[in-house]
Amino acid sequence: EVQLVQSGPEVKKPGESLRISCQGSEYSFTNYWIRWVRQMPGKGLEWLGDIDPSDSYTSYSPSFQGHVTMSADKSITTTYLRWSALKASDTAMYYCSRVNYYGNSGYSDSWGQGTQVTVTS
Amino acid sequence: DIQMTQAPSSLSASVGDRVTLTCRASQGIRDSLAWYQKKTGTAPKLVVYAASRLESGVPSRFSGSGYGTNFTLIINSLQPEDFATYYCHHYYSTPYTFGQGTKVEMK
Repeated sequence: EVQLVQSGPEVKKPGESLRISCQGSEYSFTNYWIRWVRQMPGKGLEWLGDIDPSDSYTSYSPSFQGHVTMSADKSITTTYLRWSALKASDTAMYYCSRVNYYGNSGYSDSWGQGTQVTVTS
Repeated sequence: DIQMTQAPSSLSASVGDRVTLTCRASQGIRDSLAWYQKKTGTAPKLVVYAASRLESGVPSRFSGSGYGTNFTLIINSLQPEDFATYYCHHYYSTPYTFGQGTKVEMK
């Protein structure tokens, strides 16, 4: 069974940096992109971006480009989402997911359990 | 950006009911559409991909249809475990976007 295990909850101050992780297992890690999705409190789902773990090629949502950075370490089947300077508005649950393909388009088929990020002074 | 609009925003239904959720894209997305079930405190769960293909393990009371701009998710004979929020999601072109969700509540 495909597994995506995310790092634990984080409480940070505005301006601090943070990196959260998502480790994949029970599948060929470099054959599937990873997608990051955000859910702010009481709100819907938002796409942050995708990363190809085989070569770390990334595709970001314009809404998040420049504010978050995705990376991957295929040697430990882990992808990361990083902020260099958090804002209170980054408070949200962040999910990673595996991207599967039907035809030319990719959808999320398996999800991590989510990482709660809280930014408060 | 392609906007996804779901209707209704919420609905009340009883166990055994047939429920119809709709999703409209602001421009054509072929069949690049997925439906996710989301319960509070848990990760989204894939229900349907490619507009009409049922994910493995999802009960056959769920069905998806549509192409282009108009899509539907139907739940036949609603079960207690189906009460949740459902999101449609297009993955046709970046930026990928989600609908605002339809909350299916118990009447």
